[in-house]
Amino acid sequence: SAVISQKPSRDICQRGTSLTIQCQVDSQVTMMFWYRQQPGQSLTLIATANQGSEATYESGFVIDKFPISRPNLTFSTLTVSNLSPEDSSIYLCSGNGHQETQYFGPGTRLLVL
Amino acid sequence: AQSVTQLGSHVSVSEGALVLLRCNYSSSVPPYLFWYVQYPNQGLQLLLKYTSAATLVKGINGFEAEFKKSETSFHLTKPSAHMSDAAEYFCAVSAHGGSNYKLTFGKGTLLTVNP
Repeated sequence: SAVISQKPSRDICQRGTSLTIQCQVDSQVTMMFWYRQQPGQSLTLIATANQGSEATYESGFVIDKFPISRPNLTFSTLTVSNLSPEDSSIYLCSGNGHQETQYFGPGTRLLVL
Repeated sequence: AQSVTQLGSHVSVSEGALVLLRCNYSSSVPPYLFWYVQYPNQGLQLLLKYTSAATLVKGINGFEAEFKKSETSFHLTKPSAHMSDAAEYFCAVSAHGGSNYKLTFGKGTLLTVNP
């Protein structure tokens, strides 16, 4: 299995600012993904982070709001831009170890005031 | 297109009782199916997965699930609940043979275990 870490674990931000979340995997993985979990809700896929190319976004999510980088096979960042209180959520990254199996990081808990 | 329905957003059992969390899926291709658990203030931990091998899958912490194609179900069970099982449980599906293995999650079931 892959072990995934995220930084920061939590943050409180002012509206209008941005937060960049880092995701580090302890081994090379083919796919990395970013999810949002709004309070009391399930996980919604934001995008697939592609190594060396632009991320693939799901319906309802755009690059200007959620720019993603993936410079290599073990690291990715998600930026949440122009923050509003509606962005208060848990953001989780995942990577697939054995092809179909995704392993998740501990999440970043964001509160926007 | 894929979807997952988890029946019961909240299940409450007594310690030592049977745990049954229901999951039904919809998929146009053979699915991969997963159960994840989320403890308070933590990320998701993989409990078990079905990937077209044995239909009865055993996972960690005494949990198991049975894939029933005719019922499009993948219910999670544990014979005897423990207080430490209290958590949120998510069922998820991805496409068998898909190129990117994107997961679609159910809405989750919160399991409460009463002493």
